[in-house]
Amino acid sequence: NAGVTQTPKFQVLKTGQSMTLQCAQDMNHEYMSWYRQDPGMGLRLIHYSVGAGITDQGEVPNGYNVSRSTTEDFPLRLLSAAPSQTSVYFCASSYLPTGKNTEAFFGQGTRLTVV
Amino acid sequence: GQSLEQPSEVTAVEGAIVQINCTYQTSGFYGLSWYQQHDGGAPTFLSYNALDGLEETGRFSSFLSRSDSYGYLLLQELQMKDSASYFCAVRDSTSGYALNFGKGTSLLVTP
Repeated sequence: NAGVTQTPKFQVLKTGQSMTLQCAQDMNHEYMSWYRQDPGMGLRLIHYSVGAGITDQGEVPNGYNVSRSTTEDFPLRLLSAAPSQTSVYFCASSYLPTGKNTEAFFGQGTRLTVV
Repeated sequence: GQSLEQPSEVTAVEGAIVQINCTYQTSGFYGLSWYQQHDGGAPTFLSYNALDGLEETGRFSSFLSRSDSYGYLLLQELQMKDSASYFCAVRDSTSGYALNFGKGTSLLVTP
């Protein structure tokens, strides 16, 4: 089972460039989310989705866009990269957390550096 | 909004027991989870408490008191491989049941 797959694993961008971080899951999970992790800051929620066609903002959404056209895919777009977006990005998926099974599965992360 | 507080660092000896506490403030509490993350790796799920009491999974146990907005993760028979960061996280029904994390506790297990 692939679980949650993130690509790329590493990326270096120049300030002002745009790019898309890919996330795909094969567990038929309704709920998907993106986090960024910075030293000493834990994981901060950027955007999340409760199903295809539905997205919402998390704690730190500025500078990022998402879409959810299928259940499987939840790409994160950086519109105009800034050095403050240098971070490790994690995608996660789970069943709708209103059920008993709330375990979230994480991808292996994308390490992004903006210079 | 939400806030979660947990110690930043804990050190313990191999074979010992360690408890990592977590206090939270949230308006629509739906459950407390614990995740483990080794350096450079992805967070992995350890346990979940929706109701008061203790949940046991092998060497790990997790406790919740909803009235005190408090929980803890108990690790027994510590092994060197338990050295990692541990995060408490709450789901909040007022923010789409999103999983919101504390800043993490770095556990160092020494020989």
